Amino acid sequence: KQEVTQIPAALSVPEGENLVLNCSFTDSAIYNLQWFRQDPGKGLTSLLLIQSSQREQTSGRLNASLDKSSGRSTLYIAASQPGDSATYLCAVYSSASKIIFGSGTRLSIRP
Amino acid sequence: KAGVTQTPRYLIKTRGQQVTLSCSPISGHRSVSWYQQTPGQGLQFLFEYFSETQRNKGNFPGRFSGRQFSNSRSEMNVSTLELGDSALYLCASSLSFGSPYEQYFGPGTRLTVT
Repeated sequence: KQEVTQIPAALSVPEGENLVLNCSFTDSAIYNLQWFRQDPGKGLTSLLLIQSSQREQTSGRLNASLDKSSGRSTLYIAASQPGDSATYLCAVYSSASKIIFGSGTRLSIRP
Repeated sequence: KAGVTQTPRYLIKTRGQQVTLSCSPISGHRSVSWYQQTPGQGLQFLFEYFSETQRNKGNFPGRFSGRQFSNSRSEMNVSTLELGDSALYLCASSLSFGSPYEQYFGPGTRLTVT
């Protein structure tokens, strides 16, 4: 059974810092992994989608990597800004054709 | 292009009642998935519809059901509501069923059961 874990559950950093969010999964037989952000009380906004055959994806200040063999993905945020404050979720689309979400990392950027 | 829309945005029901939530996908998207989000359990997959057929189902009781119409709009129904059904219900649309299609989420329907 696929399990997705995100550590830490919460993170607070000063503005301008580069930071890394972690996502780990137990079953490496995945089709893709997607990173989302969620603002309080709102829906999810897709950030990056990495197919199982890819190693990384980049969008602006965001870079996501995927290492299937070790069951890990990281989301790197460069030059963090207060507007980056949100909960970040990773989701794995596994071979059982179901999408499993991690519990998220609540990120706070201090001005 | 309009995003995923969900109606209603907020809903208050009492135990034992039933509720129907609606989701309109992005134009051209044919797959709709439903999720339940609670503080305790996080985001959990309910089911996915494509071409009016349920393609995948999560581990939820039969009180949770859904359907998809020929225009790809989808509804989910929860019968005999319980207090534990209070949650944010999110739907997501994608171009087609399964990998590698990116999912786009709506704003959600906040259901409160009293």
